[in-house]
Amino acid sequence: AQTVTQSQPEMSVQEAETVTLSCTYDTSESDYYLFWYKQPPSRQMILVIRQEAYKQQNATENRFSVNFQKAAKSFSLKISDSQLGDAAMYFCAYRSSVLGGGGSNYKLTFGKGTLLTVNP
Amino acid sequence: NAGVMQNPRHLVRRRGQEARLRCSPMKGHSHVYWYRQLPEEGLKFMVYLQKENIIDESGMPKERFSAEFPKEGPSILRIQQVVRGDSAAYFCASSPPFRAYEQFFGPGTRLTVL
Repeated sequence: AQTVTQSQPEMSVQEAETVTLSCTYDTSESDYYLFWYKQPPSRQMILVIRQEAYKQQNATENRFSVNFQKAAKSFSLKISDSQLGDAAMYFCAYRSSVLGGGGSNYKLTFGKGTLLTVNP
Repeated sequence: NAGVMQNPRHLVRRRGQEARLRCSPMKGHSHVYWYRQLPEEGLKFMVYLQKENIIDESGMPKERFSAEFPKEGPSILRIQQVVRGDSAAYFCASSPPFRAYEQFFGPGTRLTVL
């Protein structure tokens, strides 16, 4: 079974600075998807960024980028120019890309989250 | 295009009562997933459904919990004889056919069991 570990329960950053959130995962599969989700106080889950394991290029979405190290099974999220609205819980998630298996590969496996505080 | 809708947003039940949580997927989405988030935890997969079919219920507790996604209407997660340990946020997500890697989440239902 796949596991996702976020070793930083809490992080803080000054507004306009850069912060990196860590995520490691364990899998025996070679092809899969990795995600970062943001959960603000409203508790809505918002997709921040997605990475396909077969792609060597790191995904970027505006101020958000990832450092995907497949051999190390590491998937960190970098937030540049942090804004007050970035304050939220951030979850790393894994999903197999192998179809079949009774559909069990469609589920997302989440880490426990990192609470990010942005200081003005 | 409306997002994933869940209702109610907040639900309070006494021990032993039934809880019904509803999820309307995004238009054109035929896959629905339910996740549970206990306090201080990440989301845990419960069940994956397509129209009129349960595809994977490996995360569902064996008793008291059931889910359905009928041909017409929303998906329903039903919890019978609720206990305090069922208090959690329950999230529904949906995805379009052929793009199941992309799950869009609803705002969640917060269930409180007194």
